[in-house]
Amino acid sequence: SQQGEEDPQALSIQEGENATMNCSYKTSINNLQWYRQNSGRGLVHLILIRSNEREKHSGRLRVTLDTSKKSSSLLITASRAADTASYFCATYRMDSSYKLIFGSGTRLLVRP
Amino acid sequence: EAGVAQSPRYKIIEKRQSVAFWCNPISGHATLYWYQQILGQGPKLLIQFQNNGVVDDSQLPKDRFSAERLKGVDSTLKIQPAKLEDSAVYLCASSSRLTQGNEQFFGPGTRLTVL
Repeated sequence: SQQGEEDPQALSIQEGENATMNCSYKTSINNLQWYRQNSGRGLVHLILIRSNEREKHSGRLRVTLDTSKKSSSLLITASRAADTASYFCATYRMDSSYKLIFGSGTRLLVRP
Repeated sequence: EAGVAQSPRYKIIEKRQSVAFWCNPISGHATLYWYQQILGQGPKLLIQFQNNGVVDDSQLPKDRFSAERLKGVDSTLKIQPAKLEDSAVYLCASSSRLTQGNEQFFGPGTRLTVL
């Protein structure tokens, strides 16, 4: 079963606009990670936020984590056509399973 | 640093046939994962190895799927016999240490079509 659920399932924006994707999960986590998948390519790790962190930045990416609401958001600022991809959140749980559980993803289209 | 290598990139087979995928992780990465990604869904973990031992294979359909990592380096995933619902992309990933929940590095995947 998938732990994380992304919202929205699909998002279409104009180049230069900001894109916000949300992820909700069910159980306590050690960390939450965001990955990007371009069409026909493998997944690429974008950013990791630990359960004791609330916000993290990496270039044009900003990730927030609210453990009380079991939710995270990924903000991409000043989007580019090259940001067109599927974005997945993945949670690393605190129990002994030692595995990442991926959500179903948000498909982002950035129109030139 | 070389990335995770997978082969073949594409495979088309008839149902009930057998197929094998190969993965070579990043050098020095002790943990190796196989995921199944069905179109429109996120990756689902099939099996993970720590060196040559299995850590988790709870979601591996063991009646038809098998995987091995005999020398603790490269790995093969086999499906025998294949079903139509096995059509998916099979992703291999590796990471340096299992228990730290570090980022995983993914290969390009093998796209399997079962006719």
